[in-house]
Amino acid sequence: ILNVEQSPQSLHVQEGDSTNFTCSFPSSNFYALHWYRWETAKSPEALFVMTLNGDEKKKGRISATLNTKEGYSYLYIKGSQPEDSATYLCASLDRGSTLGRLYFGRGTQLTVWP
Amino acid sequence: DSGVTQTPKHLITATGQRVTLRCSPRSGDLSVYWYQQSLDQGLQFLIHYYNGEERAKGNILERFSAQQFPDLHSELNLSSLELGDSALYFCASSVGNGVETQYFGPGTRLLVL
Repeated sequence: ILNVEQSPQSLHVQEGDSTNFTCSFPSSNFYALHWYRWETAKSPEALFVMTLNGDEKKKGRISATLNTKEGYSYLYIKGSQPEDSATYLCASLDRGSTLGRLYFGRGTQLTVWP
Repeated sequence: DSGVTQTPKHLITATGQRVTLRCSPRSGDLSVYWYQQSLDQGLQFLIHYYNGEERAKGNILERFSAQQFPDLHSELNLSSLELGDSALYFCASSVGNGVETQYFGPGTRLLVL
């Protein structure tokens, strides 16, 4: 079982603030890292899949970086908007016989106040 | 809309009963994954099927079983239900067998009374 940790657990910011949060995962046998956005009463929505050390991905105001050697990924949101309020989940994929099995962190719950 | 469908949306049943949750993957996706989300837990992986074959098993109880049919839809069977089985059950699909994005369905909320 992989231990994937996310911090902080929750975050409250004002509209217009930029924010970032962290996902830590075991670096040995790493294969890929997924980021998901999960709004209340909806299903998780895929943001990024990252595989290479130093990888950076961007989607609108959201971007993510990956460090596979030290086992962490950062998610950044620039100029947060109320519609960004959601839980952001990361999940690690391990090389080996259980390929395809995602290990999820508990998520960072972001609330953006207008 | 992810293209993954799950039925039913809600299910209320009693302890000791048996239920079947159904999932239809996105068109073209060969993999189906089942996850459980309980109140006090994160998303827990249950099982993965690829093109009809079981590929990985997670924290799935012996009372639970799943299968993927030739048309690629999948069913998760939960039997001898207990109060603690109350949870949100998600199905996800992906085109391949590993690193690709997994697309989640809307989930089935199960309440065991």
